[in-house]
Amino acid sequence: AQTVTQSQPEMSVQEAETVTLSCTYDTSESDYYLFWYKQPPSRQMILVIRQEAYKQQNATENRFSVNFQKAAKSFSLKISDSQLGDAAMYFCAYRSAGGATNKLIFGTGTLLAVQP
Amino acid sequence: NAGVTQTPKFQVLKTGQSMTLQCAQDMNHEYMSWYRQDPGMGLRLIHYSVGAGITDQGEVPNGYNVSRSTTEDFPLRLLSAAPSQTSVYFCASSRRASYNEQFFGPGTRLTVL
Repeated sequence: AQTVTQSQPEMSVQEAETVTLSCTYDTSESDYYLFWYKQPPSRQMILVIRQEAYKQQNATENRFSVNFQKAAKSFSLKISDSQLGDAAMYFCAYRSAGGATNKLIFGTGTLLAVQP
Repeated sequence: NAGVTQTPKFQVLKTGQSMTLQCAQDMNHEYMSWYRQDPGMGLRLIHYSVGAGITDQGEVPNGYNVSRSTTEDFPLRLLSAAPSQTSVYFCASSRRASYNEQFFGPGTRLTVL
């Protein structure tokens, strides 16, 4: 069974600085997708960024980028020029490329605080 | 588009009561799922559906029932509420292919006394 581990329960960053959130996963599959979701205090789950395992190039979305290391099964999220609105819980998630469930497997989350 | 809607937003139940959490989506998505979120545990899959009339169990299905009579609706039924079911419940939907984004509803905070 696949598992996702986020080893940093809480992180803090100064506004305008850069922060990296860690995520590791375990799987025997070769084809899968990885996601970072943001959950602000409103509780809404918001997709931040997505990575296809078969793509070597790291995904980027504006100030958000990932460092995807397939061999190491590592998928970290880098937030550049942090803003107060980035304060939220961040979840790393895994989804198999095959199968019929479309199931997401989540990590336990990292609570990010942004200091002004 | 309203996206994924859930009702109610908050609910308090007594042990043994039953209730239905409603979920609807207007994006014609084939896949719909229910997750529960507990502190320190992330989100865990309860039940899912790959289309109208087709449902299956996820990781933590005990104490919950689902049905999918239409593409749009996917209600979650608590048969006999227990304090262990105190949680935040999220409904999600997506298109069939695995790379597609799952869209989440705003969640329902359920407390069972």
